[in-house]
Amino acid sequence: EVVMTQSPVTLSVSPGERATLSCRASQPISSNLAWYQQKPGQAPRLLIYDASTRATGISARFSGRGSGTEFALTISSLQSEDFAIYYCQQYNYWPPYTFGQGTRLEIK
Amino acid sequence: DVQLLESGGGFVQPGGSLRLSCAAAGFTFSSFAMTWVRQAPGKGLEWVASISGNGGETQYADSVKGRLTISRDNSKNTLHLQMNSLRAEDTAVYYCAKYGIVVGVGSDHFDYWGQGTLVTVSS
Repeated sequence: EVVMTQSPVTLSVSPGERATLSCRASQPISSNLAWYQQKPGQAPRLLIYDASTRATGISARFSGRGSGTEFALTISSLQSEDFAIYYCQQYNYWPPYTFGQGTRLEIK
Repeated sequence: DVQLLESGGGFVQPGGSLRLSCAAAGFTFSSFAMTWVRQAPGKGLEWVASISGNGGETQYADSVKGRLTISRDNSKNTLHLQMNSLRAEDTAVYYCAKYGIVVGVGSDHFDYWGQGTLVTVSS
């Protein structure tokens, strides 16, 4: 099973600033990685797939990079609606598809 | 617009059964694999099971194998999860989600998710 490790667990950033979230895979997963955003009481929403491709309707403020074992999600110029929990997920080796434990992005 | 609407959650005693359903609309249902992902209260996301577009291939997490069964009815655009021998650790919100590209169970992301249905297993 591929273990996905996200860091930090919590990230405090001020509105208007940039946030960078990290995700590490326990073995190389090529670019088969997705990022999801989840707000309280809501379902996850796909942001990025194939490590760097924005999903339909996702703001250009969200960008993803990386391949192999190291990945990052960057959110530029944070807005109030961006404060949420973010999960990475690998789909290179399955079953099982595995998620990171999440990074909580909070307002500083 | 793609819509996924889960139903069937509720309260059940350990050892009991439930059947979850997910009604799909806004896309050609049979052309995409589908999946169930769950989230225990206050916890992260856990993949549960997946099924190919024609229903001929299924995959399960080890934690549910032999107890939960994924199926689909393409004539009714509906995904199901039959849950038997339920345990307290199965307590979670269950989301159905659509694969982004593939019709088979494969290397793909989940592009649309339903709002979830809560299953509580307790005595």
